[in-house]
Amino acid sequence: KAGVTQTPRYLIKTRGQQVTLSCSPISGHRSVSWYQQTPGQGLQFLFEYFSETQRNKGNFPGRFSGRQFSNSRSEMNVSTLELGDSALYLCASREETNSPLHFGNGTRLTVT
Amino acid sequence: AQSVTQLDSQVPVFEEAPVELRCNYSSSVSVYLFWYVQYPNQGLQLLLKYLSGSTLVKGINGFEAEFNKSQTSFHLRKPSVHISDTAEYFCAVLNTGTASKLTFGTGTRLQVTL
Repeated sequence: KAGVTQTPRYLIKTRGQQVTLSCSPISGHRSVSWYQQTPGQGLQFLFEYFSETQRNKGNFPGRFSGRQFSNSRSEMNVSTLELGDSALYLCASREETNSPLHFGNGTRLTVT
Repeated sequence: AQSVTQLDSQVPVFEEAPVELRCNYSSSVSVYLFWYVQYPNQGLQLLLKYLSGSTLVKGINGFEAEFNKSQTSFHLRKPSVHISDTAEYFCAVLNTGTASKLTFGTGTRLQVTL
């Protein structure tokens, strides 16, 4: 099976802009989670979607949003970008609630 | 709420030496435990998992970990490391039950040198 695919791999945006990141989970996985990774804060949970419904949400401002489509693909959107949003954004999928997460290689977002 | 503590931010070790990366967790309910490895510019790869059963878990690349419920620990070990094991290692905990998010430790940088 193909792994979790994230596009694009790299993005450079300026403050105030918005950005959309995409994630295709492993075939058959209905759960998709998003994490933000920074040197200072480590890995922080953003949200999880299961069968197109947001099932869990981390402590991020409303500028961070996501959605999941009927084919389980997911998108994450960040509006009004700030310098502090520069990070590696990781998407992960899993078969069931208590299954291990399988991660993509991430999208490196740089905000200037 | 659950939390994970990885006390060692960096662990330097010579090639072919044994290594132990420490992980302690805190949770009020039963948990599943995981170790992930991250190589530069890549995502996280699952090394091993403890869901139930034997407390000694074997994973990929010769790594193993032991679940100790009384000490709430899940330390990762390898008897002989290789240069290619140089990477960041993350311990993670998941509360059993539904709709639970994975909580990660802050990571341990394993640096293997000749």
